[in-house]
Amino acid sequence: AQKVTQAQTEISVVEKEDVTLDCVYETRDTTYYLFWYKQPPSGELVFLIRRNSFDEQNEISGRYSWNFQKSTSSFNFTITASQVVDSAVYFCALRGLDKLIFGTGTLLAVQP
Amino acid sequence: DVKVTQSSRYLVKRTGEKVFLECVQDMDHENMFWYRQDPGLGLRLIYFSYDVKMKEKGDIPEGYSVSREKKERFSLILESASTNQTSMYLCASRVSGVNGELFFGEGSRLTVL
Repeated sequence: AQKVTQAQTEISVVEKEDVTLDCVYETRDTTYYLFWYKQPPSGELVFLIRRNSFDEQNEISGRYSWNFQKSTSSFNFTITASQVVDSAVYFCALRGLDKLIFGTGTLLAVQP
Repeated sequence: DVKVTQSSRYLVKRTGEKVFLECVQDMDHENMFWYRQDPGLGLRLIYFSYDVKMKEKGDIPEGYSVSREKKERFSLILESASTNQTSMYLCASRVSGVNGELFFGEGSRLTVL
């Protein structure tokens, strides 16, 4: 069975702080894909990143970075120097051979 | 700019009413999906469609049906709305293939009284 766990329900930080959103997954598939989506207050989920199971290279995109570690089944997301515009719900998702499943999301509130 | 458009952002309906939620995408995507989002439960798949006139049940199809008569349009139907169907409904689309990312609409918040 597949499972995605986002243990942090809500995180509150002050602007310019760094913050890491955790994502732990379970799957028996050897080939799978991991995703992060952002849902701002407007409601529309926006795709941030995709990683396949054979590519453990970390990725950086501006203030965003992702750390994929198969040894711990984790795909964590770090925002450096957070801004108010980063306030949103962030979802981690896993797609194996069967279907795509989402975690329950982490609400990030960045205070000015 | 690519887009998934959901016809209604907010709806209020009465128990027993028939409800139609419409979704249109302009990206010529084969696959379309309906999710519902509830606090603490994340996104749960209701129905999806791989192509025109095709439909597959997701994880929570009970109480819902769908229609896909045209490639760009995927409708979710609540035959007889109930209060436990009060939720945020999200439509999404993507190209075929296991690794394609989803493109989402802004959601339809349905309240059933």
